[in-house]
Amino acid sequence: GENVEQHPSTLSVQEGDSAVIKCTYSDSASNYFPWYKQELGKRPQLIIDIRSNVGEKKDQRIAVTLNKTAKHFSLHITETQPEDSAVYFCAAGGNNNDMRFGAGTRLTVKP
Amino acid sequence: KAGVTQTPRYLIKTRGQQVTLSCSPISGHRSVSWYQQTPGQGLQFLFEYFSETQRNKGNFPGRFSGRQFSNSRSEMNVSTLELGDSALYLCASSLAGTSGYEQYFGPGTRLTVT
Repeated sequence: GENVEQHPSTLSVQEGDSAVIKCTYSDSASNYFPWYKQELGKRPQLIIDIRSNVGEKKDQRIAVTLNKTAKHFSLHITETQPEDSAVYFCAAGGNNNDMRFGAGTRLTVKP
Repeated sequence: KAGVTQTPRYLIKTRGQQVTLSCSPISGHRSVSWYQQTPGQGLQFLFEYFSETQRNKGNFPGRFSGRQFSNSRSEMNVSTLELGDSALYLCASSLAGTSGYEQYFGPGTRLTVT
């Protein structure tokens, strides 16, 4: 089955700086890669996703890149704000396989 | 549209007991997945149900089981509870499955085993 590794486990940045979280996956059949944000005490919510036919996708301050050959994808947050502080999860799945999640990255944005 | 709901929200059980958790998906969603969340372990996939059939299963012992009803509501059962089963159990629904469709998570059921 799919195995997803996520790094770093914790990340602390100053407000205004950029944050990058990286994930690798093992199953070359995976073709859907979402990112979820989970604030303290709340449920995970999708913030951006990318499919295997696209190498990059951007939504305002958030972007995701995908390298299918190397089987890794990354989340980029620019101009970070304190409200970006949360746990971020990457996931990989597709082709009716289950969605496997990374272990999460706790991002802290210091004002 | 109402979101994903889970009941109960909190539960305290004793080792050896069994527990049943319930998840009602968003109307029209046919897929329900279950995850176990513990500190430092992220979201561990339990199983996915689609149209009343278990489509995928994670690496959990047979004590963990589930089912889905014709109205897409799903239940998860854990028998012979162990202390290590204490966790937040999240369900997520999606339109047609985990393959390329956004999953909407419920608020979770926090299970404490004493």
